[in-house]
Amino acid sequence: GAVVSQHPSRVICKSGTSVKIECRSLDFQATTMFWYRQFPKQSLMLMATSNEGSKATYEQGVEKDKFLINHASLTLSTLTVTSAHPEDSSFYICSARGGTSGSSSYEQYFGPGTRLTVT
Amino acid sequence: GDSVTQMEGPVTLSEEACLTINCTYTATGYPSLFWYVQYPGEGLQLLLKATKADDKGSNKGFEATYRKETTSFHLEKGSVQVSDSAVYFCALRGTGRRALTFGSGTRLQVQP
Repeated sequence: GAVVSQHPSRVICKSGTSVKIECRSLDFQATTMFWYRQFPKQSLMLMATSNEGSKATYEQGVEKDKFLINHASLTLSTLTVTSAHPEDSSFYICSARGGTSGSSSYEQYFGPGTRLTVT
Repeated sequence: GDSVTQMEGPVTLSEEACLTINCTYTATGYPSLFWYVQYPGEGLQLLLKATKADDKGSNKGFEATYRKETTSFHLEKGSVQVSDSAVYFCALRGTGRRALTFGSGTRLQVQP
């Protein structure tokens, strides 16, 4: 089946530094990738949607200058948390959407998530 | 906007017990409905889905029926196993939307 990987799985960084999280679709081409954020015991909150080669579309309330998303290829998207602060500590999950051409029900596949802790 | 509400957990059951996890939604138009499962240390996996009213999604003994009149998509299984222990997320994709809207997740713990 389709596999989405994320790296790193866990990262601890100091306040003020930047952290990059990679999301890769391993065996399919992802026309669209999504980045979610999950707080403890809460649902996944969509941060942004990106298509390969174009700028990401951010959800209301998400700072685009703080959460930089690059979707450089059909198999790779990166999320960079710039000038991280403790309130950015969270679980970040990426998702890639791909399927057979012409399908109206492209499946969405999820990475295992990245736990970010900012000290 | 779209929203999904599901019962809080954890839900603790003995093996072979019946399971129901409630899920209700708010959305305009005709959303597609999904249940995802997340096993420890793994990413979310699609468990089942339904794309129109009265459709029943099923997989691995789990079932859920798209009830438009009650805006619900409850997850059911007649006999749970220890291996079913995981977090279950109800989700919807609104009409014309690419992204999913998730419920808060329900942790299921099945004891031998």
